[in-house]
Amino acid sequence: SQKIEQNSEALNIQEGKTATLTCNYTNYSPAYLQWYRQDPGRGPVFLLLIRENEKEKRKERLKVTFDTTLKQSLFHITASQPADSATYLCALGNFRGGGADGLTFGKGTHLIIQP
Amino acid sequence: DAGITQSPRHKVTETGTPVTLRCHQTENHRYMYWYRQDPGHGLRLIHYSYGVKDTDKGEVSDGYSVSRSKTEDFLLTLESATSSQTSVYFCAISGRTGQGAFGELFFGEGSRLTVL
Repeated sequence: SQKIEQNSEALNIQEGKTATLTCNYTNYSPAYLQWYRQDPGRGPVFLLLIRENEKEKRKERLKVTFDTTLKQSLFHITASQPADSATYLCALGNFRGGGADGLTFGKGTHLIIQP
Repeated sequence: DAGITQSPRHKVTETGTPVTLRCHQTENHRYMYWYRQDPGHGLRLIHYSYGVKDTDKGEVSDGYSVSRSKTEDFLLTLESATSSQTSVYFCAISGRTGQGAFGELFFGEGSRLTVL
């Protein structure tokens, strides 16, 4: 069965450092991968999308890489700030059903940026 | 922010009672989804809709039904609620007019359901 793995343990990073989160998947051939941020008691918020033919995507302090050979995506937050503390979700999608059948989500990694 | 409203935001009910959660959007997005989120499981897809009256099952559809009679409304019904359906339910939308379904999902704020 399809499986998406994110580090289930909280990740503690010192302010100003780069935080790197990992998303690994098995039994899946995604056409694209997305990252979301979720704060306690709130719905997830979209951050970045990367397609299978793209190696890297950047947006301000965020960078995502996508390696379909390793079946892995890395999500980086540079110059991290306490306000970046949240749970980050990896999600995969493909074109089955015209892409309308939604995304498959990982369980998320809780990131804590220490001042 | 995408205009998505979920109601009710909180509900406590008893086992065996029917429950309906409503998702209302003002964005004219084609695709709508219901997910549930539980500790240790993450977000799991219950049902989705790709147009008015067009719906399909997701990963965890047993015990749930949905209806979409208008573009803007997507209803999730638990015909006879069970304690295992205690969860936080999120509605999401995607696919602006002219776009496919491959873009980002916009989520509502969630509906917390407790079944006693």
